[in-house]
Amino acid sequence: GQSLEQPSEVTAVEGAIVQINCTYQTSGFYGLSWYQQHDGGAPTFLSYNALDGLEETGRFSSFLSRSDSYGYLLLQELQMKDSASYFCALPWGNRDDKIIFGKGTRLHILP
Amino acid sequence: GAVVSQHPSWVICKSGTSVKIECRSLDFQATTMFWYRQFPKQSLMLMATSNEGSKATYEQGVEKDKFLINHASLTLSTLTVTSAHPEDSSFYICSASGWGEQFFGPGTRLTVL
Repeated sequence: GQSLEQPSEVTAVEGAIVQINCTYQTSGFYGLSWYQQHDGGAPTFLSYNALDGLEETGRFSSFLSRSDSYGYLLLQELQMKDSASYFCALPWGNRDDKIIFGKGTRLHILP
Repeated sequence: GAVVSQHPSWVICKSGTSVKIECRSLDFQATTMFWYRQFPKQSLMLMATSNEGSKATYEQGVEKDKFLINHASLTLSTLTVTSAHPEDSSFYICSASGWGEQFFGPGTRLTVL
């Protein structure tokens, strides 16, 4: 089966940098995705890593180490609107296949 | 970008009634749609995979006779919660596969009294 572990909550200050870690276990690995979800809303796709290394998209970056079964999401120049839950997730196969989500990390941002 | 809609966005029903939730891909055809359930402050749990023209594949622990899924066209999948009970109250989210990606609907908040 698949499982993902991530911290339940993280608190950071506006303008700062925060890193949300994720470790996973899976019998077959295709990639690691990250999603953002605001309260009452749908998850929105942030990033996807299939290979080791860092992927950068604006203020958000995502890192993967397949040998360590580990990844992280890095958020820079935090803004109040970044307050949300962040999920790491394992696509079952291709990126359009079913997804197994982690339990989510609630990010609190202080002014 | 690809848009997925859900209807209704929220519904309140009495215990014992059935509720139908629609999921539509508005600007693309989706041969595969997924249904997730999310309880407050918890993760999204995959309920079933819905393929157009065939029976849905349910995840372990999900009652297929309680959560009826129909995927009659390439743009529409429906989830019917039969004989709903208060413990079925949750946020139901669908997603649709297209162009190598998965696109999520806005979700349906179900409250069973």
